[in-house]
Amino acid sequence: GAVVSQHPSWVICKSGTSVKIECRSLDFQATTMFWYRQFPKQSLMLMATSNEGSKATYEQGVEKDKFLINHASLTLSTLTVTSAHPEDSSFYICSARDLRLVPRTGELFFGEGSRLTVL
Amino acid sequence: DQQVKQNSPSLSVQEGRISILNCDYTNSMFDYFLWYKKYPAEGPTFLISISSIKDKNEDGRFTVFLNKSAKHLSLHIVPSQPGDSAVYFCAASFSSNTGKLIFGQGTTLQVKP
Repeated sequence: GAVVSQHPSWVICKSGTSVKIECRSLDFQATTMFWYRQFPKQSLMLMATSNEGSKATYEQGVEKDKFLINHASLTLSTLTVTSAHPEDSSFYICSARDLRLVPRTGELFFGEGSRLTVL
Repeated sequence: DQQVKQNSPSLSVQEGRISILNCDYTNSMFDYFLWYKKYPAEGPTFLISISSIKDKNEDGRFTVFLNKSAKHLSLHIVPSQPGDSAVYFCAASFSSNTGKLIFGQGTTLQVKP
């Protein structure tokens, strides 16, 4: 199946700093990527939809100025957590759809996730 | 407002037996449902999906059943294997063409040898 890769897998940062997480589709082009967040023992929650060449679409309650999303190419989307605070500590997961497979399954392919810990 | 609910946080079954994971939803506009499997510190991996126009979809050991009148779906794993031990998430969407998935809270399945 299609492969989506995230980097870094783990990141620890000090409060007030910014952290960038990369999401790449390795063997397909993705005009749209999706960023999810998972808190411990909770469900995955969609944060925003990343659109290549245009602004991201944020879900209700997600601060667009805090979670900056850039989708500069068809294979790369980045999420920057700006001025991170301990409450931003979470598991961030990106996903993308391989349109060659759609509509057969409609499935999303997820990256490995990035664990952010803000001290 | 939790639109997709998995009311059982955990399930334990013996190897070789059937595992049944349940999921309920509240929004009748959902028309596409998926099951994902997730290991700790990894992203979810797709298992199986079903369109609302069907009531059953089977793929190897995995079968998903959809009961629209009850707004309920279930995942059956037969026979269960120790390697199936993971967290299982059900997810729903308004179309097979959208990447916006609404996830349940997940059920941790443990398959004992």
